[in-house]
Amino acid sequence: GQNIDQPTEMTATEGAIVQINCTYQTSGFNGLFWYQQHAGEAPTFLSYNVLDGLEEKGRFSSFLSRSKGYSYLLLKELQMKDSASYLCAVRPLIGNYQLIWGAGTKLIIKP
Amino acid sequence: DVKVTQSSRYLVKRTGEKVFLECVQDMDHENMFWYRQDPGLGLRLIYFSYDVKMKEKGDIPEGYSVSREKKERFSLILESASTNQTSMYLCASSAPRTVTYEQYFGPGTRLTVT
Repeated sequence: GQNIDQPTEMTATEGAIVQINCTYQTSGFNGLFWYQQHAGEAPTFLSYNVLDGLEEKGRFSSFLSRSKGYSYLLLKELQMKDSASYLCAVRPLIGNYQLIWGAGTKLIIKP
Repeated sequence: DVKVTQSSRYLVKRTGEKVFLECVQDMDHENMFWYRQDPGLGLRLIYFSYDVKMKEKGDIPEGYSVSREKKERFSLILESASTNQTSMYLCASSAPRTVTYEQYFGPGTRLTVT
């Protein structure tokens, strides 16, 4: 079967660092996405990883290990506006148009 | 700037009504998708289309149908709305010939069926 696991909810403090993990088991793998979704709004693209390693984009970084079926999103210098859900999605080998989505991690930032 | 629009942000319908949700994208994307999003379940694919007049069932197509007569427009139809179809509906589009197949989302329609 195909499965993506993420923690349901996490809490962190403003100014701190938080790591949101995602593990996946899919029929082949073509890449992994991270999206951010604020309450009541549409998901917006954050990052896309195909190769192993860390990709940094400002305060946000995303890491991928294909051999372990594992990714994480690292958020530094947390701001209140980072309070949102973070969705992990995998692009499988078959059915290229579709993505397989995790249930999302709700991140709560406290002052 | 990339844009996906949906016809309504909020919609309230009665059980048994026929409901139309419209989605329009202005990016000339071939692929379009309809998802529903429920708490704790994430995004679930209802239908997708990879070309005009083409459609494929997703994971939960029962109770829904779709129409794609023009490239920019993808409609989701609830033939006879039921209370278990109360949900947030998200439309997305993507272009197959990009590096990432990134999906761009509309703002969503929160549908309540009473």
